[in-house]
Parts: sequence; structure tokens; C-alpha cells
Amino acid sequence: DTGVSQNPRHKITKRGQNVTFRCDPISEHNRLYWYRQTLGQGPEFLTYFQNEAQLEKSRLLSDRFSAERPKGSFSTLEIQRTEQGDSAMYLCASSTWTGDEQYFGPGTRLTVT
Amino acid sequence: QKEVEQNSGPLSVPEGAIASLNCTYSDRGSQSFFWYRQYSGKSPELIMFIYSNGDKEDGRFTAQLNKASQYVSLLIRDSQPSDSATYLCAVGYSNYQLIWGAGTKLIIKP
Repeated sequence: DTGVSQNPRHKITKRGQNVTFRCDPISEHNRLYWYRQTLGQGPEFLTYFQNEAQLEKSRLLSDRFSAERPKGSFSTLEIQRTEQGDSAMYLCASSTWTGDEQYFGPGTRLTVT
Repeated sequence: QKEVEQNSGPLSVPEGAIASLNCTYSDRGSQSFFWYRQYSGKSPELIMFIYSNGDKEDGRFTAQLNKASQYVSLLIRDSQPSDSATYLCAVGYSNYQLIWGAGTKLIIKP
């Protein structure tokens, strides 16, 4: 098993553009999580999937953010009309349905100019 | 409001000594407790988890949980320079959401 993978690893975009990130979880994991992390802070929860169902979404999450996991395997996170405040590391993690232990991918670093 | 508190550090420890990292949490409904290590510019790496009161040992690492005091700690024995990183405490609830502390920066001095 190769672990959680994320693409791209780095993304630079101009304010107002849309961006999409992809996460491929560990193959036997049916839970998938998206987080955002800025410098000096712990990860901030964005949303959570169990199989293809999006079960939780942070109330702090703007309507510009949307996530999908159409076949219960990989997931995408889209940010529309990016703002400079969206610059952060976007982390994906996965876990089995019985375990709370979450394993992270390498992250996608977004820079909005 | 569920909160997890950690001293931001930096905590400086001589090589070979024991490093002690602490974390407190606010909600007694917490069910699972995790320690992650994060190197600069990298993603968090799970190093320990604990669900029951007491100690749990794994190699040089020991996690300690005291639910009555709402306190969880991580001890690193025989600290090595490669242990220098930020250590994140995370607390889990029944909906599988983790609440995170801001992390403690640990520096191991050769």
C-alpha cells in the first residue's frame, strides 16, 4: 500500500480563479477527510466522507468550497473564486470505518497571488 | 466549544534526555487521543494513539492519558536530533472529527 496521495503538490493561482485538488486514500479506507492548515496552527477540519456520502461539513466553510467523492474512492476539493486568504496547505486524510486513526497525504500547498 | 491546548514552545531538550509534551482538552466526551509529528513543510504523521486511561508504550514513545484531569502527554525517551519537529495533539469524538491543538515545537540539541 502506497499511502494517501494528493495532487498537485503545489498550486499557484491568481485571485478569482478556480482550483481543484485530488486525493487518493489508502485503498481499504472508506473514510476520507479534508483539512486546511496555515502556519503555526493545527489542521482545521473542512469536510468528511464515509464512502461516497459527505457526512460532515465545517460551518466555517464558505460556499466557495465544495468536495466530492463520487465512487467512494478518490475525492476532489474545489475552491471557486479564490481569495488570498485561501492560501494554505490543504491536507487529505483517510481511515478505516472502525478506526479513528487518520493517515495523512503529503498535502497540496496553495498560493493565491 | 471543544478546545485542545498545547504550549507552543519551543521546548529545547538535550540529546539523549526525555522530552515531555503536554496537552489538555476541554470536552469530557472525548473518546480518542492522538499524537502526530510534523516536520516543517510536511504533513502530520501519526506516531501514537491512546483510548484508555494509563500509559501506552511504543518504542521510545509513551503516551499517557488521564481523563479525570483531561490531560494527555507524550514522552520521548533517548531524544534524537531527528525528533526535532512540531508535535500536534488531536482529540477525537463520536462523529470521528478530530479537534487539534496548535502544536508544540520540540528542538533536540546535540
